[in-house]
Amino acid sequence: DAKTTQPTSMDCAEGRAANLPCNHSTISGNEYVYWYRQIHSQGPQYIIHGLKNNETNEMASLIITEDRKSSTLILPHATLRDTAVYYCIVRSSNSGYALNFGKGTSLLVTP
Amino acid sequence: KAGVTQTPRYLIKTRGQQVTLSCSPISGHRSVSWYQQTPGQGLQFLFEYFSETQRNKGNFPGRFSGRQFSNSRSEMNVSTLELGDSALYLCASSLPGTSGYNEQFFGPGTRLTVL
Repeated sequence: DAKTTQPTSMDCAEGRAANLPCNHSTISGNEYVYWYRQIHSQGPQYIIHGLKNNETNEMASLIITEDRKSSTLILPHATLRDTAVYYCIVRSSNSGYALNFGKGTSLLVTP
Repeated sequence: KAGVTQTPRYLIKTRGQQVTLSCSPISGHRSVSWYQQTPGQGLQFLFEYFSETQRNKGNFPGRFSGRQFSNSRSEMNVSTLELGDSALYLCASSLPGTSGYNEQFFGPGTRLTVL
């Protein structure tokens, strides 16, 4: 699976959009981009995933660049409950269920 | 629909002992994965079971083992505990995967402390 690079930490004001970047310059054609988050002392939670088109669900939007070398997770209106570590994971559909979480980005949403 | 449950939630053991952790997946889920989370190494994949068979294994010593029962419930065992085994052990369940879709549902974890 391709390696990902994320900033160690980010801040965001409550009510504003949180834009979390992820670099995956070695991604290959059959690899998907997944985002999970982990709120303190809880198990990780799936947020969204995509292959090459932008995706949106009730939690977030995922914007993938045309060359697929990077992506951005957008939380449109961040709340204090969105404070968590966010993990960007790249993997192919046929590489089993193992997820390589990396270090992630620690997002702090402030009042 | 009940989520993934893990028991016990907290456990204290001493070096050299063994421990067994249990995971009950979401009803209908047949894949169960285990992860270890420590402050130094982060979240690391241990192994994954599907239909009572181990399909994937991470880079952990043989002291870490697991199994899955016919009802999809899973257990993991750590023998000859070391101080470094102190961690949060997370279990995740999934439906059999469709192409490209791999949402895993995580339990709350078992916090193991080795003294």
